[in-house]
Amino acid sequence: NAGVTQTPKFRILKIGQSMTLQCTQDMNHNYMYWYRQDPGMGLKLIYYSVGAGITDKGEVPNGYNVSRSTTEDFPLRLELAAPSQTSVYFCASGAGGFTEAFFGQGTRLTVV
Amino acid sequence: QKEVEQNSGPLSVPEGAIASLNCTYSDRGSQSFFWYRQYSGKSPELIMSIYSNGDKEDGRFTAQLNKASQYVSLLIRDSQPSDSATYLCAVNLSGYALNFGKGTSLLVTP
Repeated sequence: NAGVTQTPKFRILKIGQSMTLQCTQDMNHNYMYWYRQDPGMGLKLIYYSVGAGITDKGEVPNGYNVSRSTTEDFPLRLELAAPSQTSVYFCASGAGGFTEAFFGQGTRLTVV
Repeated sequence: QKEVEQNSGPLSVPEGAIASLNCTYSDRGSQSFFWYRQYSGKSPELIMSIYSNGDKEDGRFTAQLNKASQYVSLLIRDSQPSDSATYLCAVNLSGYALNFGKGTSLLVTP
């Protein structure tokens, strides 16, 4: 049972480049999330989705875009990479409501 | 911004002792509460959830919730070196997503 799978695990980008972080889940969860984690700063919500075709901004959405065309997939797009986007990115999914979330293994992104 | 506060630590306890981790939250409307464990370089892993006032026990872990005081805690009995990790408190206020504290670093010394 794979759970939440993220690719790639590591990536180095140059300033101004773009990329897409992939996330897929096989638990048939309606809710999916993108968080970023900076050292000593906890997890901050970037975007979330409550179902296919429905997305909304979290606490730190600037510089990112998302889409949700299927229940399984929730990619995160960085259009013009900036050093401030150097972070570890976690995708998560959950059944929704007030229940828990399950995390992927993370993507470590460095922008130079 | 709804706040979830944790002492960053590190909290150091000897092997076999009880580790006590604390978390406060700012919004009285919060409905559900979670503790995640995160090893260095790894993703958060759910260890406890609690929804109502009182204690909830699962093996060596006990979660305690006091909604009147807006306080949730995690007790780890018989602490082991393998428990050394960062513990993240998470609160679900809106029913949409979890709001995380910055985490408490726990070090269990042999």
